[in-house]
Amino acid sequence: DTAVSQTPKYLVTQMGNDKSIKCEQNLGHDTMYWYKQDSKKFLKIMFSYNNKELIINETVPNRFSPKSPDKAHLNLHINSLELGDSAVYFCASSRSSYNEQFFGPGTRLTVL
Amino acid sequence: AQSVAQPEDQVNVAEGNPLTVKCTYSVSGNPYLFWYVQYPNRGLQFLLKYITGDNLVKGSYGFEAEFNKSQTSFHLKKPSALVSDSALYFCAVRDTGNTPLVFGKGTRLSVIA
Repeated sequence: DTAVSQTPKYLVTQMGNDKSIKCEQNLGHDTMYWYKQDSKKFLKIMFSYNNKELIINETVPNRFSPKSPDKAHLNLHINSLELGDSAVYFCASSRSSYNEQFFGPGTRLTVL
Repeated sequence: AQSVAQPEDQVNVAEGNPLTVKCTYSVSGNPYLFWYVQYPNRGLQFLLKYITGDNLVKGSYGFEAEFNKSQTSFHLKKPSALVSDSALYFCAVRDTGNTPLVFGKGTRLSVIA
């Protein structure tokens, strides 16, 4: 059983489109995250949710909107995609914000 | 704000030799320190962490790390490197309070047979 899963694995789309990435964890964790990894492998947190509540929102454009329908899911919706949004997006979860995080396999987003 | 530095972009080591991947950090309170490994086209995998207690922390795959408060360092070590250890290694730190985990830029480890 995959602990943290993301769909889709690859996403290729045109500038200006709207797209969503889904994330699910079956670990029973309370905290979930979205990270962006750029082409130089630099990893930066975007959002953090604890029990469906947003607790961290790092200077991310408001075109990005996370949604947590329940504790096991944290989806990422992106409006009006731009070239600079091309990256690998990772979902992660942890028991609490002080515990180690478990990462999903990533979604490679390419904006043309 | 917390920060973490990995001074080496790349570390090369011969198989069977000891390896060290360096990490230094800066926090205002007590640090929560982590090491993760990333293989190509995969997500990050947790290796080990330091929260409190013994300064020498043992983790997965034979890795260990030593917390040094005076030098604000948390270097990753392994006594005998394997070719399969070749990957990208990330050090991460968070401070107390409602702060995010901050990752270093990563160090690419290459173990040569």
